[in-house]
Amino acid sequence: KNEVEQSPQNLTAQEGEFITINCSYSVGISALHWLQQHPGGGIVSLFMLSSGKKKHGRLIATINIQEKHSSLHITASHPRDSAVYICAALRNRDDKIIFGKGTRLHILP
Amino acid sequence: SAVISQKPSRDICQRGTSLTIQCQVDSQVTMMFWYRQQPGQSLTLIATANQGSEATYESGFVIDKFPISRPNLTFSTLTVSNMSPEDSSIYLCSVEWTGESVAFFGQGTRLTVV
Repeated sequence: KNEVEQSPQNLTAQEGEFITINCSYSVGISALHWLQQHPGGGIVSLFMLSSGKKKHGRLIATINIQEKHSSLHITASHPRDSAVYICAALRNRDDKIIFGKGTRLHILP
Repeated sequence: SAVISQKPSRDICQRGTSLTIQCQVDSQVTMMFWYRQQPGQSLTLIATANQGSEATYESGFVIDKFPISRPNLTFSTLTVSNMSPEDSSIYLCSVEWTGESVAFFGQGTRLTVV
């Protein structure tokens, strides 16, 4: 079982819908990142969280340390949001980054 | 945040050949990392490359198969040697994650071995 699990694996939605992607982890972490991977393979970091909630434009990320769970939300989704979203946790015991398998999001116009 | 340039962006290679992937950073960084992402899988760390020392390989990866160079603080290469179709993956270089830098990763190299 992966130490970082994401759901759903795939998500197709209509433009304008509110999107939620979930990430659960089973190890102690010092931080959690949400990444976006474009079709060509390039990756950018969207958020780094250690507690609470962050918002950038239409993107919101939350983390609940007690429940070991994080969510990424996209409001008013748009076809350009179509990408793979990856949750990555910085594991406490060795500072290694553990990646989820990603959620492939497809927003239909 | 650092700008990381990786090339080639993609390649199709014959079985048994080798491919060298280059990663250039626009600022000096102590550690650089090489990852592999096989189809449908999460990113897996291949090795950590520090300037002036041998790379440190993760379990399941060996220097003979994935030799790495780190000649200075802004550049690294990863070679995928004696390739087989199982090596078909996206390979990404990365630098240390500091705060909320937007770009920790290079653009990725999509390798297909035929």
